[in-house]
Amino acid sequence: DSGVTQTPKHLITATGQRVTLRCSPRSGDLSVYWYQQSLDQGLQFLIQYYNGEERAKGNILERFSAQQFPDLHSELNLSSLELGDSALYFCASSVESTGELFFGEGSRLTVL
Amino acid sequence: GENVEQHPSTLSVQEGDSAVIKCTYSDSASNYFPWYKQELGKRPQLIIDIRSNVGEKKDQRIAVTLNKTAKHFSLHITETQPEDSAVYFCAAYTSGGSNYKLTFGKGTLLTVNP
Repeated sequence: DSGVTQTPKHLITATGQRVTLRCSPRSGDLSVYWYQQSLDQGLQFLIQYYNGEERAKGNILERFSAQQFPDLHSELNLSSLELGDSALYFCASSVESTGELFFGEGSRLTVL
Repeated sequence: GENVEQHPSTLSVQEGDSAVIKCTYSDSASNYFPWYKQELGKRPQLIIDIRSNVGEKKDQRIAVTLNKTAKHFSLHITETQPEDSAVYFCAAYTSGGSNYKLTFGKGTLLTVNP
């Protein structure tokens, strides 16, 4: 158990819909990262937050947004969903000074 | 920004043989190099890491080497076992000022044949 909690574990929805994925980082970790992993693909970096502020942005679509709340949990919002958005979405947290990432179990999104 | 290249993309070995995965990075400011193992359908998990002030680190059957001058680092697995079969990701971490970023390689699918 990494200490990072992601919900939901599985989500099936239809094209055009909107979903929210939730992440609770390890206790004490201020940084939260979101990654997308499609079938047979690597880890595509989406976005990073540090203590409530956006720190770095990767290949995140405009239809996607995220935020980190004062209690440090984070949400990734995916809207106007397309078939190609089907993927495993990982959240990770870290102690920024060390760089070591701890991944959650992931949220598997299926868009039909 | 940082770019991490990882080779090979797939690697198949016989049980008991050694496996080597290599990565190169572009940003000389990178100072931390972790390796993650991801089994099918599971989360990536850190298996070993190395910092820029160290040239080699070993943990049982796994070792990592770092050549800062050439900007490359490698994962070595000896006496491979079927349970070593997984996707392995290298990464390079840059920290300094307000810049903190972890960049992953594209991964290597390792298959250990019994």
